[in-house]
Amino acid sequence: DTEVTQTPKHLVMGMTNKKSLKCEQHMGHRAMYWYKQKAKKPPELMFVYSYEKLSINESVPSRFSPECPNSSLLNLHLHALQPEDSALYLCASSQEGSQETQYFGPGTRLLVL
Amino acid sequence: GENVEQHPSTLSVQEGDSAVIKCTYSDSASNYFPWYKQELGKGPQLIIDIRSNVGEKKDQRIAVTLNKTAKHFSLHITETQPEDSAVYFCAASGTAGNKLTFGGGTRVLVKP
Repeated sequence: DTEVTQTPKHLVMGMTNKKSLKCEQHMGHRAMYWYKQKAKKPPELMFVYSYEKLSINESVPSRFSPECPNSSLLNLHLHALQPEDSALYLCASSQEGSQETQYFGPGTRLLVL
Repeated sequence: GENVEQHPSTLSVQEGDSAVIKCTYSDSASNYFPWYKQELGKGPQLIIDIRSNVGEKKDQRIAVTLNKTAKHFSLHITETQPEDSAVYFCAASGTAGNKLTFGGGTRVLVKP
């Protein structure tokens, strides 16, 4: 099973709201990722967790706050977002290591009004 | 850091013809090269990957070639079908942690 699940599928929020995106995998992977993808562009890496510790933060604004409660779960907490943050947010997971295949979830399509 | 260029940005082929997408990378330390297919409204799905110790890999109608000297790799799809229509991304990964660098994507349209 190479499935990564994400909830919700769609999210509309105002600029003053607080919301969370959730990601789950049961493949025993020890690395998990958040990506942001704008229309007609490739995914852009936001955060990497390795063994439940944040290992890469690609200079993402503090209005995005990641959390890894355990090895199977990854959250992205959203607060005071801007309309330009509207995008598809993708979660991925892989075995630990730089050459390991990353498996992507279906994404959460976020619209910030 | 790594930079990956992908060409062409759009590709239209007749059903049954072959499609070729090319990528070049800048970091000679990169050693893992996956290809992803992304259909509308879905996340990227791995279709094939190659590691630096091989020059070619094939899986049914899909093949990938790697030229480490020239720092380029290519995706070949033979006998294209309408369901091959999607956006394809190449990517490269080296020793910089778990970081994948993606190419800009190729929108492939297979006309019946």
